[in-house]
Amino acid sequence: GENVEQHPSTLSVQEGDSAVIKCTYSDSASNYFPWYKQELGKRPQLIIDIRSNVGEKKDQRIAVTLNKTAKHFSLHITETQPEDSAVYFCAASLGNYGGSQGNLIFGKGTKLSVKP
Amino acid sequence: GAVVSQHPSRVICKSGTSVKIECRSLDFQATTMFWYRQFPKQSLMLMATSNEGSKATYEQGVEKDKFLINHASLTLSTLTVTSAHPEDSSFYICSAVSFLAGAETQYFGPGTRLLVL
Repeated sequence: GENVEQHPSTLSVQEGDSAVIKCTYSDSASNYFPWYKQELGKRPQLIIDIRSNVGEKKDQRIAVTLNKTAKHFSLHITETQPEDSAVYFCAASLGNYGGSQGNLIFGKGTKLSVKP
Repeated sequence: GAVVSQHPSRVICKSGTSVKIECRSLDFQATTMFWYRQFPKQSLMLMATSNEGSKATYEQGVEKDKFLINHASLTLSTLTVTSAHPEDSSFYICSAVSFLAGAETQYFGPGTRLLVL
């Protein structure tokens, strides 16, 4: 089955710097890759996602890139702010659009700390 | 839109009792919901896929007789932890699949923190 590796497990940056989190997946059939932000004790919040027919997607300070050949995708956060501090999870899905035809396999998470 | 609720948010129970957790999609219908378990400082682990009107599909290693799932309507799935034990203490999170803008996306509930004494 699908396996998702996420690195690094912890990341500390200075406010204003950029942060990059990388994930690799094993099954070339995966076609949906969401990123979630989870604050302590709260639900994961979808922050951005990308589907396999797109190589890059950007939403303000957040961007995600996908390299299907290498089977890896990355989250980029620019101009980081203290409120970006949280645990970030990547995920991959084997099904069409990651919904009812495919469940999400999560990476182990990255704890991001943004120091003021 | 795409709001998912869970009830209760927190529950403490004695070992051997059963606990029911509800997951509701408030503003959309969800034929599919997922149940996850998250231990402290760990990732989300899928327990089962809940499909409206049919039996749930359980992941390997998850006991279907211990974790009973019922998806009786398009807006409600329930997870019942039967004969709970301290090792079942965890954060249980559901998600519901919403079809927005032509693509299916999972939205998560706020989670239920279960403590079994």
